[in-house]
Amino acid sequence: GENVEQHPSTLSVQEGDSAVIKCTYSDSASNYFPWYKQELGKRPQLIIDIRSNVGEKKDQRIAVTLNKTAKHFSLHITETQPEDSAVYFCAASGGSYIPTFGRGTSLIVHP
Amino acid sequence: DAGVIQSPRHEVTEMGQEVTLRCKPISGHDYLFWYRQTMMRGLELLIYFNNNVPIDDSGMPEDRFSAKMPNASFSTLKIQPSEPRDSAVYFCASSFVGLSNTGELFFGEGSRLTVL
Repeated sequence: GENVEQHPSTLSVQEGDSAVIKCTYSDSASNYFPWYKQELGKRPQLIIDIRSNVGEKKDQRIAVTLNKTAKHFSLHITETQPEDSAVYFCAASGGSYIPTFGRGTSLIVHP
Repeated sequence: DAGVIQSPRHEVTEMGQEVTLRCKPISGHDYLFWYRQTMMRGLELLIYFNNNVPIDDSGMPEDRFSAKMPNASFSTLKIQPSEPRDSAVYFCASSFVGLSNTGELFFGEGSRLTVL
């Protein structure tokens, strides 16, 4: 089955800095890569996703990149703000759209 | 739609007691998932259903755990007997996988279980 590794487990940045979270996956058949954000005490919610036929996707301050050859994908957050503090989960899925989640990254943005 | 609805939000029980967690998925969604979240293990998929049929329960920890989905609008996760190591937040999520859909998961607010 699919295995998703996520790094780092904790990321601490200053407000205004950029943050990058990286994930690798094992199943070359995976073709859909969503990212979920979970604020403290809340439910995980989808913030951005990318399909395997696209190398990069942006939405305001967040972007995702995908390297199918290396089986890597990353989340980039620019100009971080305190409200970006949360746990971020990457996931990978194939044609069934059943996601396998990474362990999560706790992002802390210091004002 | 009110989203995925879970109950109870919080449950405190004593070891050995039966616990039943409930979930109402979003109307029209054809997949339902149960996840367990802990600091140590992150988000673990316990079981998922497609059109009310259990498809993969390989994540269910042991026979003390069982899940049912008697109809498209209701699912339960039962733990009997409960143990302190079952303490976690249990999330229910639903999705619709159509021809062009991405399979985005919509999570409920979770049920925080504490077993003393």
